[in-house]
Amino acid sequence: QSVLTQPPSVSGAPGQRVTISCTGSSSNIGAGYDVHWYQQLPGAAPKLLIYDNSNRPSGVPDRFSGSQSVTSASLDITGLQAEDEADYYCQSFDNSLSGSVFGGGTKLTVL
Amino acid sequence: EVQLVESGGGLVQPGRSLRLSCAASGFTFDDYAMHWVRQAPGKGLEWVSGISWNSGSIAYRDSVRGRFTISRDNVKNSLYLQMNSLTAEDTALYYCAKAWGESVAGSSWFDPWGQGTLVTVSS
Repeated sequence: QSVLTQPPSVSGAPGQRVTISCTGSSSNIGAGYDVHWYQQLPGAAPKLLIYDNSNRPSGVPDRFSGSQSVTSASLDITGLQAEDEADYYCQSFDNSLSGSVFGGGTKLTVL
Repeated sequence: EVQLVESGGGLVQPGRSLRLSCAASGFTFDDYAMHWVRQAPGKGLEWVSGISWNSGSIAYRDSVRGRFTISRDNVKNSLYLQMNSLTAEDTALYYCAKAWGESVAGSSWFDPWGQGTLVTVSS
């Protein structure tokens, strides 16, 4: 059971929009700790996608966006492409565990 | 180019030890905290441990505290993870990752990540 809760899977057709949620609690997201998102393509290491809730590193398409609200965060992907098929993870800090925490991951399938 | 290269993984019997290394290049190593994150086969990411830029602050997840020791050598630009009393639940691909800032406290993102080194604990 992960400290941050994500849906196990989401899917969408090419060109559509999907949203991946990340639900935390008062000891992590609700305590004001920022949320970061990673994309993990099959067989590859995770890659930073969004940092500090809504910021995109250089090179990440603006089809990817993030938001945060109270005890949850969301990753939006618009204009879905086949290459977006991957696992997505949210990450934050938990002050009761005194360490970083990840969501369980969400597998995105592009239909 | 920032690069992290892990090594030291392998097959080890339960109860034995293993030491992982991560060689860093392409950035000022002693300006940043570093972390170990693992991923069991077919499972999600799990943070293991983090160390601040000067080794002054160290953190572990509960399941490895007392068995694992993280360390760094800022002269050799290297990060280490000494793993003792290994169990089957420690079987995973271990990634090292560079944190955004100096500290392990607070929510720092990890970028980049190495390619990982596989640790298999089995008799």
